[in-house]
Amino acid sequence: ETGVTQSPTHLIKTRGQQVTLRCSSQSGHNTVSWYQQALGQGPQFIFQYYREEENGRGNFPPRFSGLQFPNYSSELNVNALELDDSALYLCASSGTGVETQYFGPGTRLLVL
Amino acid sequence: GESVGLHLPTLSVQEGDNSIINCAYSNSASDYFIWYKQESGKGPQFIIDIRSNMDKRQGQRVTVLLNKTVKHLSLQIAATQPGDSAVYFCAERENAGNMLTFGGGTRLMVKP
Repeated sequence: ETGVTQSPTHLIKTRGQQVTLRCSSQSGHNTVSWYQQALGQGPQFIFQYYREEENGRGNFPPRFSGLQFPNYSSELNVNALELDDSALYLCASSGTGVETQYFGPGTRLLVL
Repeated sequence: GESVGLHLPTLSVQEGDNSIINCAYSNSASDYFIWYKQESGKGPQFIIDIRSNMDKRQGQRVTVLLNKTVKHLSLQIAATQPGDSAVYFCAERENAGNMLTFGGGTRLMVKP
């Protein structure tokens, strides 16, 4: 176990709705990265948060947004959900001097 | 590593044999590489990493080889066990950047 936790484990939403996913980083890690993993594919980088600021973003539209809190936990928000947003959403924590990213178990989102 | 959608390349080995999983990466500016193991329904689990100034690194039962000339990475698993059955992903990071770019994954099946 990595010590990275995510909630909820599963979620079902309908098209057009909004969703918030949560991640608690491993103790001592100050950086959280979010990834989207479609079925049968490798994870794709959404964005990273470091010291409560966005620190890099992948090729995802602005309706994907995030937050990081002073305790380094993080949220991923997705607005105006589309069917193609159905995926496993992973967060990974790392830190200063810890470049390896350790992943949580993921949140599986289904958009109907 | 190119994504192959729902049809992951599969490597089938006999229990006790050695396994070699290959990965072609795309970015000559990548300076850090990681192998992850992902079991069904779980997040990626760190196996081993290697920096671009090395060409080989060994862990417990695993060895990673890096050939920068041809942009190729391999993971060798010694004495493969049924518990090694999973999807294996290589990931690269560009020049001290913050995002990991994942390959499409290889499914390893271990026959008892």
